[in-house]
Amino acid sequence: NAGVTQTPKFQVLKTGQSMTLQCAQDMNHNSMYWYRQDPGMGLRLIYYSASEGTTDKGEVPNGYNVSRLNKREFSLRLESAAPSQTSVYFCASGGPLAGVDNEQFFGPGTRLTVL
Amino acid sequence: KNQVEQSPQSLIILEGKNCTLQCNYTVSPFSNLRWYKQDTGRGPVSLTIMTFSENTKSNGRYTATLDADTKQSSLHITASQLSDSASYICVVSAPYSGGGADGLTFGKGTHLIIQP
Repeated sequence: NAGVTQTPKFQVLKTGQSMTLQCAQDMNHNSMYWYRQDPGMGLRLIYYSASEGTTDKGEVPNGYNVSRLNKREFSLRLESAAPSQTSVYFCASGGPLAGVDNEQFFGPGTRLTVL
Repeated sequence: KNQVEQSPQSLIILEGKNCTLQCNYTVSPFSNLRWYKQDTGRGPVSLTIMTFSENTKSNGRYTATLDADTKQSSLHITASQLSDSASYICVVSAPYSGGGADGLTFGKGTHLIIQP
């Protein structure tokens, strides 16, 4: 089992460029999540998908879109990248946000720099 | 607004020594609290989960405590090893939140460095 995989691992963009971050999980989890992690800010939820076919905004959704392609895959798209989106992006899968069965399994992260 | 505060922000100790990391939260109502370990350049991994009725839980050299009355948790690391160098993140969960993003509140983490 690969767990949660993310591509790419590193990416450099120019302001205004677009890109899609890919995420896949092989643990048959219903819920999937996208976070960004910035120094001194901790992990912040961008979007999540509680089940195939549904997506919801998290704490910091502006500038991002997501697609839950199927149960395994959840992608994050930056339509017009800005320097403020320079961050490390983590995809996770697992239980629901609330309740005791909410362990999340994180991918290795994508380090994105926007110039 | 739900908040999770961790202290210290960073900590340096010598290999073999013990240390304790703190987590205070204002999340209410409360369902559970998890401690995650995040190695440099990797995603967080769950170490332990504490529910409302639990006071202490161990995972090898890691021991978590919870005082639900004072809304405080600690993570104690015994006989530290170089591999313990990492960030430790406290995450507090509400009960079913109706699917809202506020079901889970993350602390900013404590950065722990173990020196030989």
